[in-house]
Amino acid sequence: DAKTTQPPSMDCAEGRAANLPCNHSTISGNEYVYWYRQIHSQGPQYIIHGLKNNETNEMASLIITEDRKSSTLILPHATLRDTAVYYCIVLNQGGKLIFGQGTELSVKP
Amino acid sequence: DVKVTQSSRYLVKRTGEKVFLECVQDMDHENMFWYRQDPGLGLRLIYFSYDVKMKEKGDIPEGYSVSREKKERFSLILESASTNQTSMYLCASSLAGALQETQYFGPGTRLLVL
Repeated sequence: DAKTTQPPSMDCAEGRAANLPCNHSTISGNEYVYWYRQIHSQGPQYIIHGLKNNETNEMASLIITEDRKSSTLILPHATLRDTAVYYCIVLNQGGKLIFGQGTELSVKP
Repeated sequence: DVKVTQSSRYLVKRTGEKVFLECVQDMDHENMFWYRQDPGLGLRLIYFSYDVKMKEKGDIPEGYSVSREKKERFSLILESASTNQTSMYLCASSLAGALQETQYFGPGTRLLVL
């Protein structure tokens, strides 16, 4: 299984872009990169996923490097409600999501 | 929108009791999952099911069993609750087929075993 490495915590000012990095240097060619987040005392929430190309939806953008060994989740205009733990996950052949420790993002006024 | 509901948000049980945690999803998803989440350990998969009456062990199935009699419902059973099963339990569902499907999570059940 490809493992991911994320910083344990980050701060971001409200209204600014939050850029959350993730390293997945052992990712294989058919594995996707998924991002979820978990707001305190709630279940995880799907954000976005991608394989090779950059992706954007109403919540965020996902930038994947050409060698696919790392990616960045971008929240373009962070709000206080974006304070959460963000998980970068690479799906293995068994289809099981493996959640690591994630990055605790604190959005400050 | 996909909705995954769990029978209780908070539950307090005594050691040795049989505990049922129920999960229901309303989007006709084939796959359903049970996780537990503990501080410092992240989410860990207990059991999952790809279809009615099918179940597969996850990473930490010991002390748990599951039941999937109907497509929309996936139950987690603690036959004899122990204090080390105090945790947040999360249910999820996803469509069948591709392995990379998005999982939708319920709000979680905080179980305290005394």
